[in-house]
Amino acid sequence: QQQVKQSPQSLIVQKGGISIINCAYENTAFDYFPWYQQFPGKGPALLIAIRPDVSEKKEGRFTISFNKSAKQFSLHIMDSQPGDSATYFCAASKTHNFNKFYFGSGTKLNVKP
Amino acid sequence: SAVISQKPSRDICQRGTSLTIQCQVDSQVTMMFWYRQQPGQSLTLIATANQGSEATYESGFVIDKFPISRPNLTFSTLTVSNMSPEDSSIYLCSVVGQGAVNEQFFGPGTRLTVL
Repeated sequence: QQQVKQSPQSLIVQKGGISIINCAYENTAFDYFPWYQQFPGKGPALLIAIRPDVSEKKEGRFTISFNKSAKQFSLHIMDSQPGDSATYFCAASKTHNFNKFYFGSGTKLNVKP
Repeated sequence: SAVISQKPSRDICQRGTSLTIQCQVDSQVTMMFWYRQQPGQSLTLIATANQGSEATYESGFVIDKFPISRPNLTFSTLTVSNMSPEDSSIYLCSVVGQGAVNEQFFGPGTRLTVL
């Protein structure tokens, strides 16, 4: 059973637009939800993360929205730039259960100039 | 965040041979992990590298195929043994720092091609 489902698989956005990537999870025990950004030939880099005690977290142009009742969370990239073109992975885990990070399938974002 | 380096960054190997990948962290870390990322795919956890004891493998991964060592809190190796073309992947080392709960950081990866 896939613990974290991510959509869309790919996304094309014009420069200056808003990119939205969605994830849904199964296990209500998850309490840590990070997003990773991966450029070609590089390892994933932690972008932003949220815990379920808040509904939104913002860092610069990146915002996570969290809906606990729906078991969904999403990444919003405001004013998307060509440099944001990368693959984005959501993940979920339980605190202190580090070996059980469940990753989404990834979203390849292409921001057109 | 921890600075993680991996060696080699890439390699092309012949079928039936073995390759050892090294992971070095610039500070002591609580947990170290090895992941595999097949082309265009998500990340799959291979094992948790335990300091001073045998690694803990996930379902579908065995020690004979992927032996792991972790002699101290800053270093680990993953060996891909008796390689076949299906082992062609990116292998990633990741760590969780001692200060941050749950924050997991990844190394740059080793891109392996098996002919």
